[in-house]
Amino acid sequence: NAGVTQTPKFQVLKTGQSMTLQCAQDMNHEYMSWYRQDPGMGLRLIHYSVGAGITDQGEVPNGYNVSRSTTEDFPLRLLSAAPSQTSVYFCASRRQGRTEAFFGQGTRLTVV
Amino acid sequence: TQLLEQSPQFLSIQEGENLTVYCNSSSVFSSLQWYRQEPGEGPVLLVTVVTGGEVKKLKRLTFQFGDARKDSSLHITAAQPGDTGLYLCAGARNSGGSNYKLTFGKGTLLTVNP
Repeated sequence: NAGVTQTPKFQVLKTGQSMTLQCAQDMNHEYMSWYRQDPGMGLRLIHYSVGAGITDQGEVPNGYNVSRSTTEDFPLRLLSAAPSQTSVYFCASRRQGRTEAFFGQGTRLTVV
Repeated sequence: TQLLEQSPQFLSIQEGENLTVYCNSSSVFSSLQWYRQEPGEGPVLLVTVVTGGEVKKLKRLTFQFGDARKDSSLHITAAQPGDTGLYLCAGARNSGGSNYKLTFGKGTLLTVNP
């Protein structure tokens, strides 16, 4: 049972480069979300989706785009990476109407 | 914005000691969860408490939800090095229909020394 799978685990980008962080879940969860975790800041919500075709902004959406074409996948796109986006990114999923979140192992992103 | 304040922020203890960490808010939550996160991994759910005053036990861990559903505590008895990690609390509030918004605290980093 894979749960929530994130790729890559580590990534180094140069300022201005673009990339996509991948997230897939095999639990048929309707709700998926992306967080960033920074020292002293806790987990901050970037974007979330309540189902295929539906996305919405979280607390810190600037510089990030998302789409949800299938129930399983929820990629996070950085269009033009900035050093301020250096962070650990977590994807999470949960069933509609439930509060228990299942997290991926994270992607550690460094922007130089 | 609802804030969840966790205390202490850091805690370093010896194996065998007892400890309590706290999660406090001025807001009422539908439920509250505790997660543990180990280095290089994502948070993993430990427990969900739903009813005010509820107490749940998970081996040496005891979780309590405040009567007013605004705060929670996690007590660990006879801590072991394997308990080392970042403990996060998360409060859930209904955001419309069957949707819930989770608010996470900043965490308590626990180190248990052998």
